[in-house]
Amino acid sequence: DTGVSQDPRHKITKRGQNVTFRCDPISEHNRLYWYRQTLGQGPEFLTYFQNEAQLEKSRLLSDRFSAERPKGSFSTLEIQRTEQGDSAMYLCASSRYTATNEKLFFGSGTQLSVL
Amino acid sequence: DQQVKQNSPSLSVQEGRISILNCDYTNSMFDYFLWYKKYPAEGPTFLISISSIKDKNEDGRFTVFLNKSAKHLSLHIVPSQPGDSAVYFCAAKFNSNSGYALNFGKGTSLLVTP
Repeated sequence: DTGVSQDPRHKITKRGQNVTFRCDPISEHNRLYWYRQTLGQGPEFLTYFQNEAQLEKSRLLSDRFSAERPKGSFSTLEIQRTEQGDSAMYLCASSRYTATNEKLFFGSGTQLSVL
Repeated sequence: DQQVKQNSPSLSVQEGRISILNCDYTNSMFDYFLWYKKYPAEGPTFLISISSIKDKNEDGRFTVFLNKSAKHLSLHIVPSQPGDSAVYFCAAKFNSNSGYALNFGKGTSLLVTP
């Protein structure tokens, strides 16, 4: 399977706990994106990387959210001190960026429930 | 504020007929538009796209039309098949430092009945 892989598929946590999600992009894809989708809404852009560089992070929802892609391969998204409002589907996508418009391939997401 | 709007939450169409999904946008700086399809428990899958310099793009049974003056685009599926039943998201982007940050609509749930 050469698709975008996300782990875990589901995460249930208590308010105040920290959570970390992992995304493995399609190999050779140099761009990696994190999106969040809440119920009844479309995906909402959070941040993205080109190789290991995080090129946009101003759309992260608060300073409790952080993302890394240390070696330009897999990425992690961490949420500290979770709140009930963080409950959502967190989607990862990757692409092979070229000068022309790129195509994003999404993973199946991590469903977070904060109790 | 929602810059990409899909005002129909759901649509039901008979198999073999045409499905028309609509999308409106407010930001005239958007220069590229995409449609994604999403099945339950899966991530969105790219379906078709169109650049703002075109008014139509066709790929098999799927055609996207863009009316820039009306800030409106539509996705036509002909003929519709039961396997097309899914949530369809319209998305738009503009050339900015945010890279490929897509602005998504809320989605339209399409049901194709036999």
